[in-house]
Amino acid sequence: QQQVKQSPQSLIVQKGGIPIINCAYENTAFDYFPWYQQFPGKGPALLIAIRPDVSEKKEGRFTISFNKSAKQFSLHIMDSQPGDSATYFCAARVSGYALNFGKGTSLLVTP
Amino acid sequence: DVKVTQSSRYLVKRTGEKVFLECVQDMDHENMFWYRQDPGLGLRLIYFSYDVKMKEKGDIPEGYSVSREKKERFSLILESASTNQTSMYLCASSLYRALDYGYTFGSGTRLTVV
Repeated sequence: QQQVKQSPQSLIVQKGGIPIINCAYENTAFDYFPWYQQFPGKGPALLIAIRPDVSEKKEGRFTISFNKSAKQFSLHIMDSQPGDSATYFCAARVSGYALNFGKGTSLLVTP
Repeated sequence: DVKVTQSSRYLVKRTGEKVFLECVQDMDHENMFWYRQDPGLGLRLIYFSYDVKMKEKGDIPEGYSVSREKKERFSLILESASTNQTSMYLCASSLYRALDYGYTFGSGTRLTVV
């Protein structure tokens, strides 16, 4: 049973667009919400993470928005570039336990 | 940089074989994890370990076992490989159990069982 539901499964945007990837969860004990980026042939790499006491976090062109009451969080990529084309995974964790991952979103940024 | 090294990039094994997937990390991380990645299913946790000789089942442990005899090494064992275990296997490590410390993943082992 997937504890973190991620959408969309795939996404195509033009260069400069703002792709948005959404995740939803049910377990209110989750206290850490990271996003991972994976390029073909590589393992996932930590991109950005947020805790539920914060509603937004920015790191460069990447922003997480977090809505605790709705139990949803999303990743926005500002001024997207072809080099951002990758698979993105959201995840969530109860403190002391392993990460639960979403199913992933394949992002293609066209020139 | 932390490195997580998986011993094989590609493996082809026959049905019924016992298969060992090896993972080594070089930064003294306490926690180690095995996930499998399948298209449309994301990453699913097989087993994890918080310390030497410790292991805990993840979401899909059936058909797998693990071994952690040394802190830096975490092995995944397929007792009798089956075709439905054809997948990408990812090993990861992290520093602390409760802190916000991201996982470092290896590049994966693509296993094909024929």
